Amino acid sequence: QQPVQSPQAVILREGEDAVINCSSSKALYSVHWYRQKHGEAPVFLMILLKGGEQKGHDKISASFNEKKQQSSLYLTASQLSYSGTYFCGTEERQGGKLIFGQGTELSVKP
Amino acid sequence: SQTIHQWPATLVQPVGSPLSLECTVEGTSNPNLYWYRQAAGRGLQLLFYSVGIGQISSEVPQNLSASRPQDRQFILSSKKLLLSDSGFYLCAWKAKNIQYFGAGTRLSVL
Repeated sequence: QQPVQSPQAVILREGEDAVINCSSSKALYSVHWYRQKHGEAPVFLMILLKGGEQKGHDKISASFNEKKQQSSLYLTASQLSYSGTYFCGTEERQGGKLIFGQGTELSVKP
Repeated sequence: SQTIHQWPATLVQPVGSPLSLECTVEGTSNPNLYWYRQAAGRGLQLLFYSVGIGQISSEVPQNLSASRPQDRQFILSSKKLLLSDSGFYLCAWKAKNIQYFGAGTRLSVL
């Protein structure tokens, strides 16, 4: 079951914050976040495991609410390099397959 | 360190021609391997995954097949390409819960 991401697209000015949401209709074991630049392969950002674990990467962090089967990616003080398409991938059990949302296109303008 | 190789980087094929895309992983043994396809401007669709030699799970019935003849080799094939097979094909492997993508093959079927 494909997770649903929102919003589909967002435009920011440098220094602004953004939140990208990912929700599933199924119970989840983990949520993975990736960023894809145009024409390139997706690059791993972080993983959140069952148990409310929250991981961060620089000014990008994420949370995982197991009960609501939702994850949110937080980008603070955005930089031009944050531009790209963000995908969440969900895993229903450990070692299972990763199913990706439809992506959120983020554009950061100077 | 582990690396994933995917080739060719780009490919232009006529409709009805065969296809063979290869992916190899170095620096690890018995990895879980995955093939994804991404249509232009779209999300990541899981096509096949493999947990071991000769073990292939198909996610979407289609014109493609996959094989894993060796532990660290994963091949995506088609006997006759369709226009709808065009897209960005990504091989991925998983280690310690984290999935890493190869650089991808951009396939244009004309």
